[in-house]
Amino acid sequence: DAKTTQPPSMDCAEGRAANLPCNHSTISGNEYVYWYRQIHSQGPQYIIHGLKNNETNEMASLIITEDRKSSTLILPHATLRDTAVYYCIALSNSGGYQKVTFGTGTKLQVIP
Amino acid sequence: GAGVSQSPSNKVTEKGKDVELRCDPISGHTALYWYRQSLGQGLEFLIYFQGNSAPDKSGLPSDRFSAERTGGSVSTLTIQRTQQEDSAVYLCASSPVAGQGRLFFGEGSRLTVL
Repeated sequence: DAKTTQPPSMDCAEGRAANLPCNHSTISGNEYVYWYRQIHSQGPQYIIHGLKNNETNEMASLIITEDRKSSTLILPHATLRDTAVYYCIALSNSGGYQKVTFGTGTKLQVIP
Repeated sequence: GAGVSQSPSNKVTEKGKDVELRCDPISGHTALYWYRQSLGQGLEFLIYFQGNSAPDKSGLPSDRFSAERTGGSVSTLTIQRTQQEDSAVYLCASSPVAGQGRLFFGEGSRLTVL
């Protein structure tokens, strides 16, 4: 699996957009970028995933660069409840076993 | 149930005792993962099941740790002769398709070894 790197922490003002970067420069052509978040004391929660096109759902938007070496998760209007650790992982969806490993993620603090 | 269920949610035990942690995945999910998360740390992969077999046990930290899955459903993680460093939250996740990155996590079992 492609290794991902994320900043350890970020702050964002409540109501503003939170832009969380992820570097995955060794990603291969069949690997998707997945984002999860973990709110304190809870299990991680799936947010969104994409291959090369930008994606949007009710939780967030995912912007993937044209060369696919990096991506940004965007929370358009951050709320205090978005304070969490955000994990970016790169995985193939081609089937068969792959170890799903999580790095240390980005701790996002939304500030009132 | 609607989601992944783990039990117990909290377990306090004495050093040297054995503990069993249970995971009920979402019905029909063939893949099941166990992770460990120590306080303030990231998720540490322990073991993966595809059906009842465990093709990857590489994350189990010692031979005191074992896991099984029966009927392609419920999984049990057993820790023998617990040590204080085993204290952590043990998270289980399931996925409908092997190798797919969309995992559904339970709320975890918090283990405290005194």
